[in-house]
Amino acid sequence: DTGVSQDPRHKITKRGQNVTFRCDPISEHNRLYWYRQTLGQGPEFLTYFQNEAQLEKSRLLSDRFSAERPKGSFSTLEIQRTEQGDSAMYLCASSLRSSVAFFGQGTRLTVV
Amino acid sequence: DQQVKQNSPSLSVQEGRISILNCDYTNSMFDYFLWYKKYPAEGPTFLISISSIKDKNEDGRFTVFLNKSAKHLSLHIVPSQPGDSAVYFCAASASGTYKYIFGTGTRLKVLA
Repeated sequence: DTGVSQDPRHKITKRGQNVTFRCDPISEHNRLYWYRQTLGQGPEFLTYFQNEAQLEKSRLLSDRFSAERPKGSFSTLEIQRTEQGDSAMYLCASSLRSSVAFFGQGTRLTVV
Repeated sequence: DQQVKQNSPSLSVQEGRISILNCDYTNSMFDYFLWYKKYPAEGPTFLISISSIKDKNEDGRFTVFLNKSAKHLSLHIVPSQPGDSAVYFCAASASGTYKYIFGTGTRLKVLA
């Protein structure tokens, strides 16, 4: 499968714990995006990487959130001190330059 | 401020008939539009896109129409099939930006 891969698919964590998600983009795609989707809403943009550089962060991305893309390959999204409001589907997408973005299957986070 | 609006939360259509999903936008800077389909617990799947220099784009059973003066686009599915039952998201982006702005989605149910 050469699509965007996300791990884990599901994560249940206790409030206050840290979690980290991984995204492997389609190979050769230089752009990588993180979105978040909550129930009844469309995906909302969180952050964007071009190669290893993080070029834009949404104001939705509080100080508890950090994303990295070392060496311009896979990316990680970490949430520190999780809150119940962080419960959502976290989606990763990648694209080649300005072409269409292709999404992974997402990581469903539940904070209890 | 919802820049991309899908005012119909749901739509039911008989198999073989036409499905028409609508989307309105407010930002005149948007010049690229996309439709994604999403099944439960999966990430969005790209369907079709259209640039603002066109008013129609067709791909098999899927056609997207763009009316720039009305800031409106629509997705036509002909003929509709039960496998088309999913949530459909409209998304928009502006040149020079990297992110998509999504609508809240329309749940399509195709009845056999």
